[in-house]
Amino acid sequence: DIQLTQSPSLLSASVGDRVTITCRASQGISSYLAWYQQKPGKAPKLLIYAASTLQSGVPSRFSGSGSGTEFTLTISSLQPEDSATYYCQQLNFYPITFGQGARLEIK
Amino acid sequence: EVQLVESGGGLVQPGRSLRLSCVASGFTFDDFAMHWVRQVPGKGLEWVAGITWRGGSPVYADSVRGRFTISRDNAKNSLYLQMNSLRVEDTALYFCAKDIHFALQGPFDYWGQGTLVTVSS
Repeated sequence: DIQLTQSPSLLSASVGDRVTITCRASQGISSYLAWYQQKPGKAPKLLIYAASTLQSGVPSRFSGSGSGTEFTLTISSLQPEDSATYYCQQLNFYPITFGQGARLEIK
Repeated sequence: EVQLVESGGGLVQPGRSLRLSCVASGFTFDDFAMHWVRQVPGKGLEWVAGITWRGGSPVYADSVRGRFTISRDNAKNSLYLQMNSLRVEDTALYFCAKDIHFALQGPFDYWGQGTLVTVSS
């Protein structure tokens, strides 16, 4: 199975900061990577797919990049409502796997 | 508005069975593949199973293969997960999720709110 390792697992940043979360795959997955945001008590929400394609309705401050084994999710200017846990997901091989999550707190 | 509403969760003893349902609305159900994903409260996401638009080629996580069966009834806009030989480690919130493709390609653009399954004696 493909293992996805996210770093950092926990981060704290201030409103307006630029934030980057990394997802590393145990083997190459081309660009078959998605990012989700999950708030407490809610279902995950799709943010980015195909590594860099912004899902409809998602604010443009979110962006994704990478291919192969290393990927990043960037929030260009952090907003209070971005406090959540972020998961990466690989879709190149079955079984589909998720990263362990990265919890983002607002200072 | 797309809606996915899961039901069927509850408390069950180890070794017993449970059937989850997910009713879809707001989109053409039989145009898309569907999946089940679970989450132990406070923990990460685990993909469980997926099924194509016509119900063929179901795929499963190793942890549930041989015990769980995913199926769908397109006439009823419904997705199912038959869970047999349940184990304590199957305890989780189970989400149904819509694929953006008709095949099993992902990602998942809509999710239900989940139904909680607790396996305990």
